[in-house]
Amino acid sequence: AQKITQTQPGMFVQEKEAVTLDCTYDTSDPSYGLFWYKQPSSGEMIFLIYQGSYDQQNATEGRYSLNFQKARKSANLVISASQLGDSAMYFCAMREGRGYQKVTFGTGTKLQVIP
Amino acid sequence: EAQVTQNPRYLITVTGKKLTVTCSQNMNHEYMSWYRQDPGLGLRQIYYSMNVEVTDKGDVPEGYKVSRKEKRNFPLILESPSPNQTSLYFCASSLTRGARGNQPQHFGDGTRLSIL
Repeated sequence: AQKITQTQPGMFVQEKEAVTLDCTYDTSDPSYGLFWYKQPSSGEMIFLIYQGSYDQQNATEGRYSLNFQKARKSANLVISASQLGDSAMYFCAMREGRGYQKVTFGTGTKLQVIP
Repeated sequence: EAQVTQNPRYLITVTGKKLTVTCSQNMNHEYMSWYRQDPGLGLRQIYYSMNVEVTDKGDVPEGYKVSRKEKRNFPLILESPSPNQTSLYFCASSLTRGARGNQPQHFGDGTRLSIL
């Protein structure tokens, strides 16, 4: 079974609208961390937001928020008020293991923001 | 400036010719890791290191070697490269000591390898 599943290979969103990128995960470890990264066409990996398995509240960072549903094992990224610069690949990732050393990425979602 | 530096950024080489991709970080991070990125597959972990002289296999270690003799450096070695190792490679680092898994990784700019 895939540890991280991103079911949306590509998405379009109108500028200034909100968009949700889906991520489901699979682990038997009670302690884990979930991350979202952005990869623009220039190729660098940019950290966006983090959610810990024990966190009670959903994480927020500016226009980014994480809809964390632990029972459903989902950690969806919500981008509010989309901007043209949000066009990029987005990866969901999980850190697990005793030292959080094992890292698994999803296959990514390519987001395109339309003017 | 805090950064992870990979070299080279681009390399075209031939099957069987040993190569090393260097990775260095200046943030005193304990944890370092190598990934390969292939279209449709996302990033896959090759090897990671929790600290000096402590390394372990990730999900796709075949055909690769690593070493961690110093805290700041974590080179990736391809002893006998083959065409199926053509990929985009990323090195990353993060804190671990005292952390609760909430440490994001800092990534290098990537190395694009083509093995002919």
